[in-house]
Amino acid sequence: ETGVTQSPTHLIKTRGQQVTLRCSSQSGHNTVSWYQQALGQGPQFIFQYYREEENGRGNFPPRFSGLQFPNYSSELNVNALELDDSALYLCASSLAFRTGGYGYTFGSGTRLTVV
Amino acid sequence: KQEVTQIPAALSVPEGENLVLNCSFTDSAIYNLQWFRQDPGKGLTSLLLIQSSQREQTSGRLNASLDKSSGRSTLYIAASQPGDSATYLCAVRGYSGGGADGLTFGKGTHLIIQP
Repeated sequence: ETGVTQSPTHLIKTRGQQVTLRCSSQSGHNTVSWYQQALGQGPQFIFQYYREEENGRGNFPPRFSGLQFPNYSSELNVNALELDDSALYLCASSLAFRTGGYGYTFGSGTRLTVV
Repeated sequence: KQEVTQIPAALSVPEGENLVLNCSFTDSAIYNLQWFRQDPGKGLTSLLLIQSSQREQTSGRLNASLDKSSGRSTLYIAASQPGDSATYLCAVRGYSGGGADGLTFGKGTHLIIQP
C-alpha cells in the first residue's frame, strides 16, 4: 500500500509567478485535501476534492485553485504568488467524504519559497 | 468558526516521564479528532484517530481521550523517550451542510525529551 506522495519537495518562485504542486493519493482513497503550513503554525485548510469536484474550502482567495483527476491524484495551483505564500504545502487523502469516519493520511509536503 | 487550542505550546522533560498534552475545541459538532506528530520540516504522521462516538483510543505508549461535550481531548504519552521529541498536533474534522469539512488544527505542542 503506497502512501501519499507529493512533488516537488522544494520549490523557489518569484513574486507574481504561478506554481503547480502535485499529489498522488494513497491507494483506495477518494478524497484529497490541501493545507498550507506557515512556519511555527498549524496547517490551514485550503480546499477539499471528492470525485473531482471541490466540496469544501477554507479562507483562501480564488488564486488558490485545484484539480482532482480520475485516478484521485491532485494538483494545487497558485497564481500571482505573494511573499506570504511561502510555506509548507501538505496534501492529505482519505477514504470517503460524507461519512467523515476515516482519518487522513498526509504526504511529506512541498516547501515553497517565494522571493 | 471552529477554533482549536493546544496547551502547553512547548514542553521539555527528562526521559522516562509520563506526559499529558491538552487540546480544546470550540464547536462540539465534529466527526472525529486526530492526533498527529510532525518532525522538523516534515509531513504529518497520524498517531491516533478518535471517532465522535468514542471516548478513547490507545496505540502502544500513546492514549488519547475525547470529551466531545466539553470540547477537550488529551494525549497521554507513557515512559517518554528521546525519539518522542517532535511537534504534536491536534485536529478536528467538523461538518457543515451535507458533508465533512477539512481539518482544523491547533498550533501544536513542541515536545523535547531530554536523554
